[in-house]
Order: sequence, then structure tokens, then C-alpha cells
Amino acid sequence: DSGVTQTPKHLITATGQRVTLRCSPRSGDLSVYWYQQSLDQGLQFLIQYYNGEERAKGNILERFSAQQFPDLHSELNLSSLELGDSALYFCASSAGVSGRAYEQYFGPGTRLTVT
Amino acid sequence: GENVEQHPSTLSVQEGDSAVIKCTYSDSASNYFPWYKQELGKGPQLIIDIRSNVGEKKDQRIAVTLNKTAKHFSLHITETQPEDSAVYFCAASLNYIPTFGRGTSLIVHP
Repeated sequence: DSGVTQTPKHLITATGQRVTLRCSPRSGDLSVYWYQQSLDQGLQFLIQYYNGEERAKGNILERFSAQQFPDLHSELNLSSLELGDSALYFCASSAGVSGRAYEQYFGPGTRLTVT
Repeated sequence: GENVEQHPSTLSVQEGDSAVIKCTYSDSASNYFPWYKQELGKGPQLIIDIRSNVGEKKDQRIAVTLNKTAKHFSLHITETQPEDSAVYFCAASLNYIPTFGRGTSLIVHP
């Protein structure tokens, strides 16, 4: 158990809908990362937050957005969903400070199915 | 951007044998190289990592080597056990952001 929690575990929704995925980082970790894992694209970095502020952006679509709240939990919002958005979405956290900033610990993921 | 190639995509070994997975990266500025193990239905688990100022690191049956000049790094697992069966991912990180390889499915036959 990495200490990172994600809800829900599974999500089935229809095209055009909007969903919110939630992540709670390990206790004490300031940085949260979101990833998408699919068979054709592999594991892709989406976005990073550090202590409430957006720090880095990767291959995140404009239909997707995220935020990190004062209690450090994070949410990933996916809107106008398409079939191709079906994937596993992982959250990871790291200490975010020097020394242990690089080590990322992944949650169990949310499996999103768009029908 | 960074590009990470990982080989082989599938590796089948007998219990007790060694397994080696190799990765190459393209951006010489990458400075952190973690390896993750992902079991079915679970998130990736960090198993070992190496920084760019180190050539080799060992942790029990697992070792990682890094050749910065050639821009490649490898994972070595000795005395493999059935519970080592999983998908292994390498990554090269720049500014704390990893780019992952496509994964190696390791199958250890009892």
C-alpha cells in the first residue's frame, strides 16, 4: 500500500459526460501528479501540482483540468468525454522537496470506461 | 521532448534465472531514472531508482546500472521468483517529470 488513495475505483459513463476523479496524497507529500495509462499510449504524464499550484503540464487535453486543494487532495476533471478517453488514470505523490522530491508513489488508479 | 525506449517487451525466464531489462533515453539532461513494477489491477510501485551521478545501485536481488555517455540504463533481477512476474517500467526524469518506457512483461515460470 503506497499511502495514496484514489476514488472511485471504477467509473462507467457515456460520451459527452463529465466526471471527477479524486486523489489523496501520502501524508506529508506536497506534490501530486496525474497520469493516463492506455494500451496504445502507455503511461503518460498529464499534470503536476505542488502545494496548491500548477507546476508542470504534459499531454493534457483542454477538456481536462485539475486542481489541488488546501488540504492537498487533488481532483482531475474530465469533460465532453469521448470513447478514446477510456483508460486507467493514476495519481502519484511525492515529497516535493529536495532529497525525496523525485520519488513518486502511485495510487491504485481509477478505471474510466466511456460508452 | 524526452523519448524512452524499453526492451524487451516480453521476457520469459525460469525461476532462479536472472532477468535483464534495458532502456535508452534521448535527453542528456534527464537526471533521475526510476523503475516501477506494476501488477495486474494495481498502480505502479517504485522498486529502485538511480540518480545521474551514480553508475550502479543494488537492493537485494535488484540492481540498476546507468551509462550516461551512452544514455542507457538497465534493471537486473537475480534469482527470479514467481512473484517477480509483473510489468516493469523504466522512466527518465527531467525537472521531476518522468517519461516512461512502454513496459516489459516479465513472466517467471516455476
